[in-house]
Parts: sequence; structure tokens; C-alpha cells
Amino acid sequence: SQQGEEDPQALSIQEGENATMNCSYKTSINNLQWYRQNSGRGLVHLILIRSNEREKHSGRLRVTLDTSKKSSSLLITASRAADTASYFCATDTGRRALTFGSGTRLQVQP
Amino acid sequence: DAGITQSPRYKITETGRQVTLMCHQTWSHSYMFWYRQDLGHGLRLIYYSAAADITDKGEVPDGYVVSRSKTENFPLTLESATRSQTSVYFCASWSVQETQYFGPGTRLLVL
Repeated sequence: SQQGEEDPQALSIQEGENATMNCSYKTSINNLQWYRQNSGRGLVHLILIRSNEREKHSGRLRVTLDTSKKSSSLLITASRAADTASYFCATDTGRRALTFGSGTRLQVQP
Repeated sequence: DAGITQSPRYKITETGRQVTLMCHQTWSHSYMFWYRQDLGHGLRLIYYSAAADITDKGEVPDGYVVSRSKTENFPLTLESATRSQTSVYFCASWSVQETQYFGPGTRLLVL
């Protein structure tokens, strides 16, 4: 079964708006990662947040982690049409294999 | 070219046939993984390997076999393909930055 569940399943916004995706997971983790997948392509790593971190930034990305609620959120600010993709959270419980959520499909309208 | 490659990129086979999907990485990463992604879903772990000659089952290993005789290669074999194994298969390797690098995927259709 999937470790993470993501919300919403699909999101459509206009260019320039912010996009927020949420992820919940079930077990204790070492870190949580977000990946992007363009249609028909492999996954690309975006950002990693460790279990002892609460917030992390990378460019237009902001990730938060609440281990007490077993949840994370990914914020993409000032979205662009090129951000259109599926976004997945993935958890690492320490064995280096990742457990993925079901993903959020983001559509950014130009 | 440095990176992780998969072959073939597309494969059509018939039920009952044996199929081998190849994965090659040039970084000498110790850990490698095989995932499958079904339409509209996230990735599920099939098998992983911590080093040459060390492999372990993931979430959905039934019907699959792996081997790792060399660090850079991690082939995945479907011993007797079934329609339920129609999927996109991704190979990945683990870097010391604790992130995974993914190959481009192999789209497998079992008729």
C-alpha cells in the first residue's frame, strides 16, 4: 500500500499563482522528498527535508514537514506553464528505498 | 554519457513469455531500485539492491527476478509475463545526497 497520500489529486491554476500540494504518510521517516514527473518521463528530484527539519526552501519551492501530524506540503510560488507536471512525495524510512504517494497533477494555464 | 539508462524503452510481449528489462548506471552508486508505475498512480517498489550480489524484495516482488553481478547493472526479469504486469518500469540509483536518480522508464505491454 502507498505510504503517502497526496491532496489534491489534481490542481489547475493560472500562471503567476501559487500552487500548494499536501502529503500525508503513515510511519516514522528519516526524510521526505518531493519529485516531479513530466508526462511520459522519469522522475526528477526537487527537494529533500529531513525529519528534524520543519521548513526548507529551494528557489520557488518551499517545503514544510510536520512529523507530529505525519504530513508535508509543497508550495510552488509564482507558477509557470513549465511547472505543469505530476508531483510526488516520497518517504525514506532509513533503508534508502522510497515509498511514494499517489501524486498531484498540476496544470498551469498560461 | 553519465547517468542511468534503461533498455528497451518500449516492449510488447505476450502472456507467458520471459522478458528482461535492463538498467545501467555510470555513477557507481551502491544502491539500485526497480519500481513500477501503473496508470494514474505513484511508484511501487519491486526489488532493490544495496550492492553487487545483494538484493532484497520490495512491496510487489511476485513474478519478478533480479540479479546484480556488477555494480553498474541491475536487470529485472519477468519470468512468465502476465497482463497485470503491463506497466511503466523505472530503475533508479541512490546518491550520497540521499536522493534517487531515475532512468527514463520502460513501457511494457503484455498482451
